[in-house]
Amino acid sequence: GENVEQHPSTLSVQEGDSAVIKCTYSDSASNYFPWYKQELGKRPQLIIDIRSNVGEKKDQRIAVTLNKTAKHFSLHITETQPEDSAVYFCAASQGGSEKLVFGKGTKLTVNP
Amino acid sequence: DAGVIQSPRHEVTEMGQEVTLRCKPISGHNSLFWYRQTMMRGLELLIYFNNNVPIDDSGMPEDRFSAKMPNASFSTLKIQPSEPRDSAVYFCASKDSGLAYEQYFGPGTRLTVT
Repeated sequence: GENVEQHPSTLSVQEGDSAVIKCTYSDSASNYFPWYKQELGKRPQLIIDIRSNVGEKKDQRIAVTLNKTAKHFSLHITETQPEDSAVYFCAASQGGSEKLVFGKGTKLTVNP
Repeated sequence: DAGVIQSPRHEVTEMGQEVTLRCKPISGHNSLFWYRQTMMRGLELLIYFNNNVPIDDSGMPEDRFSAKMPNASFSTLKIQPSEPRDSAVYFCASKDSGLAYEQYFGPGTRLTVT
């Protein structure tokens, strides 16, 4: 089955800096890669996703890149703000299976 | 839209007791997922349903766990008997059919087994 590795497990940045979180996946048939943000005590919420027919997607300060050959994808957050502090999860899903396999999460802390 | 609804939000029970967690998916969504979240194991998919039919229960840890979806608007996850290692946050999520991929999570049930 699919296996998703996520790095780093913790990340601390200064407000205004950029943050990058990386994930690798094992199943070349996977074709959907979402990123979820989970604030303390809250539910995971989708912030951005990418499908395997594109290499990059941007939404304001966040972007995701996908390298299908290397089987890795990354989340980029620019101009970080304290409210970006949360745990971020990547996931991979095989098309048609609807099953999401999550990485272990990255705790991002943005220091004012 | 009220989103995915879960109850109870918190449950504290003693080892050996039966626990039932409940979920109401978003109206019109026909896929429903049960996840367990712990510090050690992260977010794990336990089971998911499509059109009320269980599709993949390979994540259910053992026979003490069972899940049902008697109709499109209600699902239960039951643990009997409960053990301290079952302590976790249990999330239910739902998604629309077709080309929609996003899963919408409920607020979760924090289960503590003493």
